[in-house]
Amino acid sequence: NAGVMQNPRHLVRRRGQEARLRCSPMKGHSHVYWYRQLPEEGLKFMVYLQKENIIDESGMPKERFSAEFPKEGPSILRIQQVVRGDSAAYFCASSPGTGSLYEQYFGPGTRLTVT
Amino acid sequence: GNSVTQMEGPVTLSEEAFLTINCTYTATGYPSLFWYVQYPGEGLQLLLKATKADDKGSNKGFEATYRKETTSFHLEKGSVQVSDSAVYFCALMDSNYQLIWGAGTKLIIKP
Repeated sequence: NAGVMQNPRHLVRRRGQEARLRCSPMKGHSHVYWYRQLPEEGLKFMVYLQKENIIDESGMPKERFSAEFPKEGPSILRIQQVVRGDSAAYFCASSPGTGSLYEQYFGPGTRLTVT
Repeated sequence: GNSVTQMEGPVTLSEEAFLTINCTYTATGYPSLFWYVQYPGEGLQLLLKATKADDKGSNKGFEATYRKETTSFHLEKGSVQVSDSAVYFCALMDSNYQLIWGAGTKLIIKP
């Protein structure tokens, strides 16, 4: 059973470009979480999705950021018109259910660098 | 609001030394508490967890006890190895099932 896959592992974008980060959850997992880790800081929750639904996006910046988890295919975190402050590591996690009984399994992360 | 504070790193120890990484939290209610580990170039892995007061989580020789009275969940290991070198994150799960994270503590073990 493959773990959580994220790609690309490293992404370089110039200011103003779009960044698309992909996350394929573990087989059988229908819950996906996205976290951002700014340099020298801990992870911060961004969004929680189930298939075709955004359950909680309270950690997402109001502008330029969006996320989806379609019925088929990976979850996508999209950042439009990137700025230098978006440079960070973005981690995706998946779980078979929600709550403390269900471990969140993490991918290796995508390191976004905005030049 | 909910928050997690853990000791700053890096923590540098010699092999076979005793390890403590402090973690304290602020939360309403009684959240579940977690320690995650991130080895170089890899994603985060759950190391151990505790879901209620006085619970002790343990795995791979690491232990942490959920202390309600001191709002702490310190990570300990009796004898560290070079392979334990990693970044360790303390986290709590809030009522919305979000994980709230500490800043991480880098552990360096020298042979």
